[in-house]
Amino acid sequence: DQQVKQNSPSLSVQEGRISILNCDYTNSMFDYFLWYKKYPAEGPTFLISISSIKDKNEDGRFTVFLNKSAKHLSLHIVPSQPGDSAVYFCAAPRAQKLVFGQGTRLTINP
Amino acid sequence: GAVVSQHPSWVICKSGTSVKIECRSLDFQATTMFWYRQFPKQSLMLMATSNEGSKATYEQGVEKDKFLINHASLTLSTLTVTSAHPEDSSFYICSAGLDYSYEQYFGPGTRLTVT
Repeated sequence: DQQVKQNSPSLSVQEGRISILNCDYTNSMFDYFLWYKKYPAEGPTFLISISSIKDKNEDGRFTVFLNKSAKHLSLHIVPSQPGDSAVYFCAAPRAQKLVFGQGTRLTINP
Repeated sequence: GAVVSQHPSWVICKSGTSVKIECRSLDFQATTMFWYRQFPKQSLMLMATSNEGSKATYEQGVEKDKFLINHASLTLSTLTVTSAHPEDSSFYICSAGLDYSYEQYFGPGTRLTVT
């Protein structure tokens, strides 16, 4: 049962443009969401999070939007930079654990 | 802050041998640590939750006798892959959480290759 889904395995964006990564969830009990970024052969690093009491959280070039009625969240990166090329995971806490989506590989083209 | 280290970063071992991977929280105490496995081009698979001073809780399908987890202190958890086989070759990542936060802080990972 995949409670957190990232339906796009990959995304390619031109440098300077906006990258939009999407994530859907099925468990309406989730009340907090996190985005992690992962480079090859490294551990994930925390990027940004959002509580379900908010619909938007912004941190520099990164903004996460939450649509609770649609059970959907998205991560916007603007402007996209070459160093943003990585795999992005959305996750939600359940008990002590984090439930991860499958990840989306973002490639920023020069 | 919240730095997690892993050692070794990569290891090659022969089939049938055992290998131990260490996970340390460097600047905080972690009552709970997590062990993940990542196959190429796949998501993170949670293997087990490690609680300091108690037995680890394994996810369904993970062999607890094969993947031994010890969390002897608030800053150290170890994963021992026993009687390793080539199919155990993977990227193993640990993480640690703060008691008051949902966030988990991940180690850099360990690449295990079993020949």
